[in-house]
Amino acid sequence: KAGVTQTPRYLIKTRGQQVTLSCSPISGHRSVSWYQQTPGQGLQFLFEYFSETQRNKGNFPGRFSGRQFSNSRSEMNVSTLELGDSALYLCASSLAGWRDSNYGYTFGSGTRLTVV
Amino acid sequence: DQQVKQNSPSLSVQEGRISILNCDYTNSMFDYFLWYKKYPAEGPTFLISISSIKDKNEDGRFTVFLNKSAKHLSLHIVPSQPGDSAVYFCAASALNYGGSQGNLIFGKGTKLSVKP
Repeated sequence: KAGVTQTPRYLIKTRGQQVTLSCSPISGHRSVSWYQQTPGQGLQFLFEYFSETQRNKGNFPGRFSGRQFSNSRSEMNVSTLELGDSALYLCASSLAGWRDSNYGYTFGSGTRLTVV
Repeated sequence: DQQVKQNSPSLSVQEGRISILNCDYTNSMFDYFLWYKKYPAEGPTFLISISSIKDKNEDGRFTVFLNKSAKHLSLHIVPSQPGDSAVYFCAASALNYGGSQGNLIFGKGTKLSVKP
């Protein structure tokens, strides 16, 4: 079965712009979580969506937002980009939440965002 | 403050020997722990998990040990193979912490290099 698909794989944006990243979870998976990976901070939780509702949120500023559609696909948006937003953004899906399986999430390959 | 700490950014091991990756946590409410492996340009993949009701879980060459009193877990890989070279992330969660299922909190990762 197809894995978690993230588009685009690479993105270069200018400071002050906004960006939208997309994630298609594994078919049947209803929970989608987003993480930011940077060399200094590791993986940091952004938010989780389940059945089109944000169920959980990390400690990121309001410039970071997301949504989930009825087909479980999810998008995250970052407005007014800053240089420090340069990171690998990872999407992860699971059936109903990572605790519903023994293996937690299934991650996508990520979107590498570079802000210049 | 960092609730999950992987204090060794890197580890180098000879092929065939044991690799021991360590992880410390501060939140005594954590009740589930996972290890993920990440290759460059790919998303993290699940490796092994352990519940706080156990002190050891084994899967083939991989064993995770949990010491709750020390708030410490370790991943043992025996024997190590060159294909094990990757970044290893420790993750933890507490039910009902930060949401209905508690999001996964990751350490910063340890880069393992297994030399032939």
